[in-house]
Amino acid sequence: DQQVKQNSPSLSVQEGRISILNCDYTNSMFDYFLWYKKYPAEGPTFLISISSIKDKNEDGRFTVFLNKSAKHLSLHIVPSQPGDSAVYFCAASRLSTSGTYKYIFGTGTRLKVLA
Amino acid sequence: AAGVIQSPRHLIKEKRETATLKCYPISRHDTVYWYQQGPGQDPQFLISFYEKMQSDKGSIPDRFSAQQFSDYHSELNMSSLELGDSALYFCASSSWTVKDIWRDTQYFGPGTRLTVL
Repeated sequence: DQQVKQNSPSLSVQEGRISILNCDYTNSMFDYFLWYKKYPAEGPTFLISISSIKDKNEDGRFTVFLNKSAKHLSLHIVPSQPGDSAVYFCAASRLSTSGTYKYIFGTGTRLKVLA
Repeated sequence: AAGVIQSPRHLIKEKRETATLKCYPISRHDTVYWYQQGPGQDPQFLISFYEKMQSDKGSIPDRFSAQQFSDYHSELNMSSLELGDSALYFCASSSWTVKDIWRDTQYFGPGTRLTVL
């Protein structure tokens, strides 16, 4: 049962335009969400996060939006650059009984920014 | 600052052999997480340690064990390797800080690619 879903396995965007990556989750207990970028042969790199008490968080070209009622979050990249081409994973977390935060990852979206 | 270090980066083993993967967290990070990512799949949580004690357990097979040492580095020991264990194994580390007192962000290492023949 995939609790975190990224329904678009791939996305192509022209350089300079906006990239919108989407993520849906099913467990209402998740209270912290993150986006990671992953290049081939490298580990996921943290991009941006948002807690459930917010609906928007910005960091430079990256903005994450959270719609709790729809259990949906999205990552906006504007303007998109060729170096943004990578696989993007969303992750959701909640406090586990042991006091640490276990992440559940989505299946990833491969973004290709065309020059 | 140095990121999470994992060694080795690549490992090739035969079926039924054992393997040990090492993870060195970011300095002053006290929590280590292990993930397994199969081909075309999302990273799956295996196990985590906080202050040298196991804090959470995911889909880790009984053939695998892990521990965190006094210097906070962690080792994932894998025995009786099977073909299906071929995957990327990521380690991530995090820390409770004053700034993020109710939240930790996990920072990932480059991964170890294990191939079981």
